[in-house]
Amino acid sequence: GQNIDQPTEMTATEGAIVQINCTYQTSGFNGLFWYQQHAGEAPTFLSYNVLDGLEEKGRFSSFLSRSKGYSYLLLKELQMKDSASYLCAVRGLIEGNYQLIWGAGTKLIIKP
Amino acid sequence: GAGVSQSPSNKVTEKGKDVELRCDPISGHTALYWYRQRLGQGLEFLIYFQGNSAPDKSGLPSDRFSAERTGESVSTLTIQRTQQEDSAVYLCASRPTGGNYGYTFGSGTRLTVV
Repeated sequence: GQNIDQPTEMTATEGAIVQINCTYQTSGFNGLFWYQQHAGEAPTFLSYNVLDGLEEKGRFSSFLSRSKGYSYLLLKELQMKDSASYLCAVRGLIEGNYQLIWGAGTKLIIKP
Repeated sequence: GAGVSQSPSNKVTEKGKDVELRCDPISGHTALYWYRQRLGQGLEFLIYFQGNSAPDKSGLPSDRFSAERTGESVSTLTIQRTQQEDSAVYLCASRPTGGNYGYTFGSGTRLTVV
């Protein structure tokens, strides 16, 4: 079956670094996305990986290993506004069509 | 428009009533998705429209759910005979054809069935 796993909740300190892991098992693979979702708001796009390696974008970086079915989102120099849920989504094959399969999200709590 | 617009933002309805949710995608975005998100849970795929092709309805949970889209314009999601289990946030997203990026979400409609 299709499965996306990520921790339910993480806590980190302002100014620190946090790594949010995502493991997946899907039929087919055509990219992995990370989205940020503040409470009561829509998800917003953070990053996209389709090849192995690290993609860096300012304070946020995303890593992918296709052979391990593994990705992580790395957030540096944490700010209070980074408190949000972080959603991992994989484009996998469902009934012959590529669709995004979503993890349940990791709620990140930033403490002063 | 500049973003994906959904209406209403909040809807409270009585069990058994029908509701209609609207999504206005970004102009030029050929792909449109509807998702459901229950409190504290991930996104659940409902339906996908791509241009004038037949929609992918594989995620619709029951025949009480239906959706329409004319061309590349507005889409409506209709839930008939609502049940309390339908209470959730319904999110719409659109993206351009062939793009690996750009799933742009609307702010969602929070549906509460009482």
